[in-house]
Amino acid sequence: AQRVTQPEKLLSVFKGAPVELKCNYSYSGSPELFWYVQYSRQRLQLLLRHISRESIKGFTADLNKGETSFHLKKPFAQEEDSAMYYCALQTGANNLFFGTGTRLTVIP
Amino acid sequence: EAQVTQNPRYLITVTGKKLTVTCSQNMNHEYMSWYRQDPGLGLRQIYYSMNVEVTDKGDVPEGYKVSRKEKRNFPLILESPSPNQTSLYFCASTPHRLAGSDTQYFGPGTRLTVL
Repeated sequence: AQRVTQPEKLLSVFKGAPVELKCNYSYSGSPELFWYVQYSRQRLQLLLRHISRESIKGFTADLNKGETSFHLKKPFAQEEDSAMYYCALQTGANNLFFGTGTRLTVIP
Repeated sequence: EAQVTQNPRYLITVTGKKLTVTCSQNMNHEYMSWYRQDPGLGLRQIYYSMNVEVTDKGDVPEGYKVSRKEKRNFPLILESPSPNQTSLYFCASTPHRLAGSDTQYFGPGTRLTVL
């Protein structure tokens, strides 16, 4: 069965430090993976998706099929990065499964 | 402004009293879905709809109903709410039938408390 695991509920880093939010998935098919972000008092929004291989707001994520991971990384964290981050897996044509989320706090 | 709206934003009700949470999008999106967000469980899909009159169960459909009579609206119906349905609910839409193949636009959320 499909599953998305985000092992860290809370993650705190200092401003300017590198940050990595972990995401592992379990799916027998070909995965499509996404990172969504929810800033304080704002709605959930797409941050990036692996098929685009893009960098958004300095964040990148590489799909590692061997390790079944899709970790989100940023070399230098900023205060405005503080938010709730969700990793999501699309299976088949219609379902999107979310992880439990990681709350990132960037300490000034 | 292109957006997904939900009403009400906050609702406190009692067990067994039928309620409907409305969701509307003005972007002519085909795909719409409902999620519930619970601490420690993340977001879980309740129902989704690929187009008008086409709906299907998500991960946690028990106790919920939906309808899609018009493209823009996708109401979530709780016929007999119970306390375990106390949660934060999000509606989302995406342009095409394939969820995830394009950006999902989320509504602001509806916080429901069932006493």
